[in-house]
Parts: sequence; structure tokens; C-alpha cells
Amino acid sequence: GAGVSQSPSNKVTEKGKDVELRCDPISGHTALYWYRQSLGQGLEFLIYFQGNSAPDKSGLPSDRFSAERTGGSVSTLTIQRTQQEDSAVYLCASSSLGSGEQFFGPGTRLTVL
Amino acid sequence: AQKVTQAQTEISVVEKEDVTLDCVYETRDTTYYLFWYKQPPSGELVFLIRRNSFDEQNEISGRYSWNFQKSTSSFNFTITASQVVDSAVYFCALSEAWGAAGNKLTFGGGTRVLVKP
Repeated sequence: GAGVSQSPSNKVTEKGKDVELRCDPISGHTALYWYRQSLGQGLEFLIYFQGNSAPDKSGLPSDRFSAERTGGSVSTLTIQRTQQEDSAVYLCASSSLGSGEQFFGPGTRLTVL
Repeated sequence: AQKVTQAQTEISVVEKEDVTLDCVYETRDTTYYLFWYKQPPSGELVFLIRRNSFDEQNEISGRYSWNFQKSTSSFNFTITASQVVDSAVYFCALSEAWGAAGNKLTFGGGTRVLVKP
């Protein structure tokens, strides 16, 4: 596709369940970022991938959060034992090496009941 | 640590009025990027502009203009002759230019602009 895609667009889960969020970056973009947008915290960085490596995971809020990227393309953000405070929109962005400009996907709205 | 402050949480104007959005930033880096993004009601973040810290020239793109002043650490955004379609939340953001974390963005809290017909 032409842009960054994310799935699912909406996810409702029960507290304590695990969820997986998927991001398909723009083809050829080596850098991939996850952000979270919530009412209380605004837009915050979670993790950055360069290729399949994650040089910066400093934004992950707890060890319940993990992410991986395979083949230098698709990335999956996993939240284990979800809590109500995990409810937010999870945004993925990608960029080409050195460009500085990030293109964002439409986000996944996660609701934890 | 980097920080971006958008003091205005919401601005309401009538169509055709000009509106200026303030952005003040803090960083210890000597080289960095500044950005503005638009988030319309549909929710997707739309890139508007990137500015390098070593380039203080102001920029105009159609009805949009940006005023970068390094001396006051500000990067303000003006919409001239606003239109209803400009209604959105606007985010100012900052990133390192050559950081080990790529160009991870630090966002301001956003300014909601409501343009009334």
C-alpha cells in the first residue's frame, strides 16, 4: 500500500487479556516508531526500530509491553495482561533512513474493559 | 531532556480570521528538527513541516506560515484566512537530528483549533 497501515483499527478487550497490534510500514522505510496517544498523557514515544533492531525501548511503560519487527518490515506491539490504563490509541510511524519525516498510520484504538 | 510546550489548549475563530499557534521547546542538542503535525477529526496525523535547527528562515506554504526563532526557542505556526477545514488539533514536535534513537518525536500537548463558519 501507499501509506502506513495498522490493524485492527479498533480492539476491545477485557482486563487481563493479551493483545497484539500490527503495523505495516511504507515499503522501503527502515525506521519504524510506535507511539501512544491517551487523554491523560498526550502523544508519547514507545519504541523505535531500525531494521529489526530496537535501539531505543525507553518509552515502553512496563514489562507487559513488548514489540518486535521481522524482515525489516511488519512490526507487532504486544501488551500482556492488559490494564484499563492501557486504553489509548496506538500509532505507528515509519520513515526512510536520514529523512527525519515520519509518516503515521491511522492508529489502533484499544479499549480495556 | 527534550520538552515541547503548547500553551494554548484551544483556539476558536471565525472563518477568514488569522490564527497563530505558539510552540516553545527545550533541548540540549545543538542540532535538532522541529515539526508541525495536523490531526483532523478522522484521527490520522498529517505532516505539515520540518525545520532544521540551523535554518532560521521563515517559511510560507499557501495559507500556512512558520516563524522559527532560535533566540526564544519558539516555532510558531500561523494559518492565514482560516477555513472550516482547518479545524483540527495541531501538534508541535521536536527530535534530535542524529540521535541513536533515530528521530523519535517529543510532542507538545496540542492545540485544538475550531474554525466557525
